[in-house]
Amino acid sequence: EDQVTQSPEALRLQEGESSSLNCSYTVSGLRGLFWYRQDPGKGPEFLFTLYSAGEEKEKERLKATLTKKESFLHITAPKPEDSATYLCAVRTTETGANNLFFGTGTRLTVIP
Amino acid sequence: ETGVTQTPRHLVMGMTNKKSLKCEQHLGHNAMYWYKQSAKKPLELMFVYNFKEQTENNSVPSRFSPECPNSSHLFLHLHTLQPEDSALYLCASSPGTATNEKLFFGSGTQLSVL
Repeated sequence: EDQVTQSPEALRLQEGESSSLNCSYTVSGLRGLFWYRQDPGKGPEFLFTLYSAGEEKEKERLKATLTKKESFLHITAPKPEDSATYLCAVRTTETGANNLFFGTGTRLTVIP
Repeated sequence: ETGVTQTPRHLVMGMTNKKSLKCEQHLGHNAMYWYKQSAKKPLELMFVYNFKEQTENNSVPSRFSPECPNSSHLFLHLHTLQPEDSALYLCASSPGTATNEKLFFGSGTQLSVL
């Protein structure tokens, strides 16, 4: 069964304290891994797409990496405005639109 | 107005009520989706429309009835819901279903069923 697991469930950081969020997956065929950010009271907002092991993407203080079994979202020197829930999603090679599986997210709080 | 707009933002309804959720996208996309987001659960795909035609119904109970009159508008008609249907209902769009990984989401409708 295709599965996406995110850890930790919640993370509290001091401003400037770097850390990483994890997304591990077990799918029959990976077509891509995606990171979204969701602020309270809003829908998820697309951040990154990763397609193959070894690939990395960066945006401001965020850096996403991908291996054959997991992805990390590294947050360098976070600021309070980085506080949000970060969702990981995996697209499998199954045909149709029902091939995108989301994790339950990591709720990040950055304390000033 | 740009992006994906959902109304209402909040909805409280009784189990015998009938209500509708509305979604409109201004991105020129051809695919539209309904997702359900419950606390501590992954986003759950409900319905997919591509060029106004329903292409996915993810075993959703018949008390949820979608409608897609054109590629820009999507509705979710609700009737005789159950308390466990309380959740955040998100609408999303993408250029096509083959590019469904980069979804553009609305802000959602927070639904409470009493």
